[in-house]
Formats: sequence, structure tokens, C-alpha cells
Amino acid sequence: GEDVEQSLFLSVREGDSSVINCTYTDSSSTYLYWYKQEPGAGLQLLTYIFSNMDMKQDQRLTVLLNKKDKHLSLRIADTQTGDSAIYFCAESMGDSGAGSYQLTFGKGTKLSVIP
Amino acid sequence: DGGITQSPKYLFRKEGQNVTLSCEQNLNHDAMYWYRQDPGQGLRLIYYSQIVNDFQKGDIAEGYSVSREKKESFPLTVTSAQKNPTAFYLCASSIETTSGVTYEQYFGPGTRLTVT
Repeated sequence: GEDVEQSLFLSVREGDSSVINCTYTDSSSTYLYWYKQEPGAGLQLLTYIFSNMDMKQDQRLTVLLNKKDKHLSLRIADTQTGDSAIYFCAESMGDSGAGSYQLTFGKGTKLSVIP
Repeated sequence: DGGITQSPKYLFRKEGQNVTLSCEQNLNHDAMYWYRQDPGQGLRLIYYSQIVNDFQKGDIAEGYSVSREKKESFPLTVTSAQKNPTAFYLCASSIETTSGVTYEQYFGPGTRLTVT
């Protein structure tokens, strides 16, 4: 079955790097996503990675994918107070037939940035 | 300005009443989705639609209904049969392809429904 696990809380000091981790169980996952949710708002797509990639960098964001361990991480460099939010990891199965249009989300990691 | 709009942002209803949440997109996306979010929980899929006049149940469809008469619109009705309707409801859309590849989903700002 599909399951996405994340730790619920992370606290870092402003200027440090944050690393948010995610594990997933379905080895047929094709795409993996990171979303950010600020209080009372919808989800904002931050970045995504295809399963045939190991790493993707986009400005302060670095995504690492370890397919063997089914482990995904999001590193935020030089974390700012504006980065305080809930971060969701999500996976999709791509073209796998029934349910291929669905994303499976983790419960989210609440990142608190201490000034 | 392309995007997804949900209205209203806050909605209050008495128990036993049906309520319809609006979701509109001008991204020309084929697929649309409704999720429910409860505190400390991830997102749970209620219904999704890949194309006009077609929709499928998600993981928690009981007590909800949808329609997809237009590409741009995917309203969700929370019926009185939904036992615990108070939640944050999120609508999303994505490009759809004939190959079934899932592309990233874009979300609206959400509607917080409170039923008393």
C-alpha cells in the first residue's frame, strides 16, 4: 500500500539549514513533490523530482532522493523566518492504472524558525 | 492572472444543512480534486475529476457529492450525511494527459467550514 511518513516538527535557528525528511513505501512512485502551507492558506508547490533523479537544486532548496531507501529530503539553506510553515511531502504513481491521478501526502512537518 | 479560487474563505452552517463549496480555475486544467484537511493530518482525497462530466470517489467520499458540468468548475457539496464536516477543504487542479501521467497539482486558498 501507499504510505508517506514525515516527522511532525522541526525547529531551527534563522540562518541555519533546515532538513525535512520523508519516507515512502511504494517503490513504483514516479514523482515526488514538496509543498509548503502557510497558516490558513492552500498548498504551494515548492519543487518536485522525478524518480530517476538523485538530486535537484533550485535556489535555496535542495531535494535529495534515495530510491533504495525510499527516502526523500528537502534542504532549505539560510532558513528565514518566512520559511516557517508546514511542509508536505507527496508521491504519485504516474501511469499505473487505477489511482494514477492521485497524490498521497504525508501529514506534514511544521518548521519553526527561531529568530 | 491564472489560478484557482475558492469561495468563501470561511463558512458556517448549522448541523443538518447541506452546503456547497465553490472551486473555479482558469488554468485550463483538465483534472480537479477536492481534499479535506484536519488539524495535524495530511490531506485526504474526497473526489477527483479527470474530465468534464466524469468524476471518481477518493478515499473519503461518504457524505459528499460533486459535479463537473464545466471544465473550470468543480463544486463540492457537504451533505447532512457527513458525520464530522468541520474541516479545511482544499481544491486543486492539474494538467491531465491521455497517458495517465500525473503532473503537479496546484491548490486554491481553501475554505474553512464550521458546522455547529
